[in-house]
Amino acid sequence: EAQVTQNPRYLITVTGKKLTVTCSQNMNHEYMSWYRQDPGLGLRQIYYSMNVEVTDKGDVPEGYKVSRKEKRNFPLILESPSPNQTSLYFCASSLSGALDGYTFGSGTRLTVV
Amino acid sequence: GENVEQHPSTLSVQEGDSAVIKCTYSDSASNYFPWYKQELGKGPQLIIDIRSNVGEKKDQRIAVTLNKTAKHFSLHITETQPEDSAVYFCAANPLSGGYNKLIFGAGTRLAVHP
Repeated sequence: EAQVTQNPRYLITVTGKKLTVTCSQNMNHEYMSWYRQDPGLGLRQIYYSMNVEVTDKGDVPEGYKVSRKEKRNFPLILESPSPNQTSLYFCASSLSGALDGYTFGSGTRLTVV
Repeated sequence: GENVEQHPSTLSVQEGDSAVIKCTYSDSASNYFPWYKQELGKGPQLIIDIRSNVGEKKDQRIAVTLNKTAKHFSLHITETQPEDSAVYFCAANPLSGGYNKLIFGAGTRLAVHP
């Protein structure tokens, strides 16, 4: 089944403790992206990647890192999480860009205390 | 940068009625306008999209209309059913992102009552 898989689904952590949210797609998509969803703000883009080793900032990149060493994987790294990063995170992929239609993962609900 | 405003934030209809959600965008160079449906506990799913060279597109009970002059586009759902209950997001692709990003609206929570 074609899908985007995120792990974990739920995560509670403490301020300052580094964490990684994994994202993997099995559709051979070139484009991958991370969004955060907050009430009243919709989906805001954190980072995106056009292909392996090519990443770029979205609208809210502060406090996040990403890497794209393999085509299928696009992990999101929070080096020193803070409470304002408590949010619902989605990974998405598409064939070659934003105009191809995204396939979203099921989401990761992160709470930073 | 691009700004996408979506209205209403919540919408409640009776089963069988129509529902309309409207979005306005600021970047006149935007040329792609998708709509996503997010069911409870799931990621958003693309349900329909429209490009700037088309004024209307239909797919069974859903349709999207685009008015490029006024910079707004709308989602129309006819003969609503309880399974249409979800959060709906509109989006637009700004020139400032090289057309390779989507700016989403804040979402509309649609409730269809039997």
